Amino acid sequence: GAGVSQTPSNKVTEKGKYVELRCDPISGHTALYWYRQSLGQGPEFLIYFQGTGAADDSGLPNDRFFAVRPEGSVSTLKIQRTERGDSAVYLCASSLRGGDGTEAFFGQGTRLTVV
Amino acid sequence: RKEVEQDPGPFNVPEGATVAFNCTYSNSASQSFFWYRQDCRKEPKLLMSVYSSGNEDGRFTAQLNRASQYISLLIRDSKLSDSATYLCVVKSGGYQKVTFGTGTKLQVIP
Repeated sequence: GAGVSQTPSNKVTEKGKYVELRCDPISGHTALYWYRQSLGQGPEFLIYFQGTGAADDSGLPNDRFFAVRPEGSVSTLKIQRTERGDSAVYLCASSLRGGDGTEAFFGQGTRLTVV
Repeated sequence: RKEVEQDPGPFNVPEGATVAFNCTYSNSASQSFFWYRQDCRKEPKLLMSVYSSGNEDGRFTAQLNRASQYISLLIRDSKLSDSATYLCVVKSGGYQKVTFGTGTKLQVIP
């Protein structure tokens, strides 16, 4: 596609449920980032993939959060036993490579609401 | 201390004014710097990269001070359409982790 695509755009789930958020990066982009953004805050880093591997997952808040990118393109962020505090916009970004000076392009985000 | 810090604002300025935002970063090994713009309920979009020598793009000027570990963004002749949140972004580490500041909100008033 022309840009980074995230699905669903909105997700409402009950506390304790499992959710999967999908990111389809720009074709050919090897670097993929997941962020979480709460109202009035900047994007908070969660995890960074270079190809299929997670180069840095230091931002994942706890072991309920997991992300995969098995073929080096589409990525899925998985959240187990969701909590109300997980409610936020989850942003995905991709860049041509992770190196110096390369622009990261963002998807429109998935707005997750845990009720 | 946060890795990237910005004054959250809001900055309320009249049309035509000049406004400047600063951002400080804690990792002295940081390698790349950017300003992103985020409109309300939209995704961030790249405004400009920040180069060591400073760079200008129309009404926007970005500066980098490595010694003091801060970057700045200057907007001249503010337009109503400049109203947005401006995010400072730093890339650092061998794996080029991208870290955002909390953003500075700008409101340009008629």
